[in-house]
Amino acid sequence: EPEVTQTPSHQVTQMGQEVILRCVPISNHLYFYWYRQILGQKVEFLVSFYNNEISEKSEIFDDQFSVERPDGSNFTLKIRSTKLEDSAMYFCASSDRGGDYGYTFGSGTRLTVV
Amino acid sequence: AQSVAQPEDQVNVAEGNPLTVKCTYSVSGNPYLFWYVQYPNRGLQFLLKYITGDNLVKGSYGFEAEFNKSQTSFHLKKPSALVSDSALYFCAVRERYSTLTFGKGTMLLVSP
Repeated sequence: EPEVTQTPSHQVTQMGQEVILRCVPISNHLYFYWYRQILGQKVEFLVSFYNNEISEKSEIFDDQFSVERPDGSNFTLKIRSTKLEDSAMYFCASSDRGGDYGYTFGSGTRLTVV
Repeated sequence: AQSVAQPEDQVNVAEGNPLTVKCTYSVSGNPYLFWYVQYPNRGLQFLLKYITGDNLVKGSYGFEAEFNKSQTSFHLKKPSALVSDSALYFCAVRERYSTLTFGKGTMLLVSP
C-alpha cells in the first residue's frame, strides 16, 4: 500500500537553529499538508499546499515557517529559527481530489528543540 | 468554523466487551467525517470515513461508526474489544474544500 514517508524520524536541534523536515507524499497525490502535535495535545493544522503554492495556512504558520516542493517528489517544512515551543511531532499528509477520501499521514518527525 | 469534540479523555473497557468512543462535530455544510488511530510513537492511521450514503460505515480492524445528522455525532464502535485496540483515537471533520480538523483525541485502554 502506498505510504507517505517522513525523514528524519527524530531531530534534536538547538534553539535558534534552522531545521528542515522532509516528506515524500504518495506519488499521484496532488494536495499536501503539514500538521503538528505537541506532546499530549491535539493534532493541529499548519498548512496545505496545492499546485506549487500554499492554499491555506493556520495562525501557527507564521513567518518562521515555510514549505517547498523542491522537486517532483519531496515536500519540505522549514522552520527558520526554532523556539522551544516548536518541539512537537510534525506530520506530513497527502491526498488526492482534495481529500474526499481522507488524508494519508506519514509516521511523523519528532522535533526536540533544546 | 468547523470543530470536533471528543468529550472523553480516556475510555476503559474489558477485552471482549463492546466499546464506544464518542465524537460530535460542528460544520456549516455537509460534513466529511473520519476516524484515525495512533499507536505509541507511530503516525496517524486511517480507520474509516463517512462522506455520503449509508449512515453506518465499516472500517479497518472491525471498527464501525454511525453518522447521526440530527445529533451531529459520529461515534466509533466495535462489538468486541481487543487488548491490541489500545491506542489514541482521533475523530476529524472537514467540509468540501476545507482542511481536516481533529478532535483532541481519546485514549482507549482495553484491559485483559
